[in-house]
Amino acid sequence: EIVLTQSPATLSLSPGERATLSCRASQSVSSYLAWYQQKPGQAPRLLIYDTSNRATGIPARFSGSGSGTDFTLTISSLEPEDFAVYYCQQRSNWLPTFGQGTKLEIK
Amino acid sequence: EVQLLESGGGLVQPGGSLRLSCAASGFTFSSCAMSWIRQAPGKGLEWVSAISGTGGSTYYADSVKGRFTISRDNSKNTLYLQMNSLRAEDTAVYYCAKPQGGFLVWLGGYFDYWGQGTLVTVSS
Repeated sequence: EIVLTQSPATLSLSPGERATLSCRASQSVSSYLAWYQQKPGQAPRLLIYDTSNRATGIPARFSGSGSGTDFTLTISSLEPEDFAVYYCQQRSNWLPTFGQGTKLEIK
Repeated sequence: EVQLLESGGGLVQPGGSLRLSCAASGFTFSSCAMSWIRQAPGKGLEWVSAISGTGGSTYYADSVKGRFTISRDNSKNTLYLQMNSLRAEDTAVYYCAKPQGGFLVWLGGYFDYWGQGTLVTVSS
């Protein structure tokens, strides 16, 4: 099983600031990595797939990068609605796994 | 519009059983592999199981293998998860999720549509 480790666990920023979230895989997942956003009481929403492709309807302020074992989700300028929990997920084999999440909170 | 609606959650004693259902609409259900994903209270996401579009191939996380059974009825556009020998650690919100791309076979994909989830609580 591929283990994904996200950092930091919590990120405290203000609206308008830039957010950088990290995800590290225990072995290479090539470019097969996605990012999700989850707000309290809601299901996760797919933001980014295959490292850097935005899902339908996702604003351009969300971007992804990386390859192999190290990946980054960047939110260029935080909007109030962006404060949530973010998960990474790999699909390099038939057994998908998720990171433990990064909580993005308002400073 | 794709919609996934789970039902069947509730309170069950350790060792008990429960069957979850997920009614799907807005896409060709029989052509799509489907999956269950769970989230324990205050915790992260855990993939549980997947099934091919025909129902002929099934896949399970080690944590539920031998206790849970995924199935589907394509005539009813419904996905199921039969959960037996339930444990306290199975307590979670269970989500039905559609993999992106809508492939017939399970490829371990990303999930672009999710239901609202149904809460399963295992407690005496």
